[in-house]
Amino acid sequence: EAGVTQFPSHSVIEKGQTVTLRCDPISGHDNLYWYRRVMGKEIKFLLHFVKESKQDESGMPNNRFLAERTGGTYSTLKVQPAELEDSGVYFCASSQDTSSEQYFGPGTRLTVT
Amino acid sequence: QKEVEQNSGPLSVPEGAIASLNCTYSDRGSQSFFWYRQYSGKSPELIMFIYSNGDKEDGRFTAQLNKASQYVSLLIRDSQPSDSATYLCAVNALLAGSYQLTFGKGTKLSVIP
Repeated sequence: EAGVTQFPSHSVIEKGQTVTLRCDPISGHDNLYWYRRVMGKEIKFLLHFVKESKQDESGMPNNRFLAERTGGTYSTLKVQPAELEDSGVYFCASSQDTSSEQYFGPGTRLTVT
Repeated sequence: QKEVEQNSGPLSVPEGAIASLNCTYSDRGSQSFFWYRQYSGKSPELIMFIYSNGDKEDGRFTAQLNKASQYVSLLIRDSQPSDSATYLCAVNALLAGSYQLTFGKGTKLSVIP
């Protein structure tokens, strides 16, 4: 069974540009999460989808970040416009139930220059 | 502010020894506890989860949970050089209507051949 996949693996963009990250969860997992790790810090929660609905987006840093999960399958996370402090590794995770173990994707390393 | 604390290490143990990794958490409402292993440049890989007080064993790994002390640990028996990685402690708690994983910064383990 395929795990969580993310695309792209790396992205280098200039400040002010737009970037869209994609996550495909494990098939059958209704719960999809986005996390971010910036240099030297711990992994931080961004938001949680249950199917196509945003269950919790309390971790989103500001309104430059927009996450969607149309159809309840894959999810996208768009950053527009990107700022230098948005650089880091963006992880997606999925789980079968809301309280059960989460499985992580390989991450997208975003560098904003 | 929900916190998960880990000793950043590095923790060095000789091959074949027992490696002991510790984690404390601040939220008494935390319900489930996870240990992830992360190799450099890779995504977190789930290796153990524990929900109840006591010990849980899986192969060479044993997770220990003491909710009264707000303490969770991971023991790795017969440590191998391939166990060298950063170990992340993560705690699942109901926040803002959603289960969010709160991560520690990780403990770097080095197993010396």
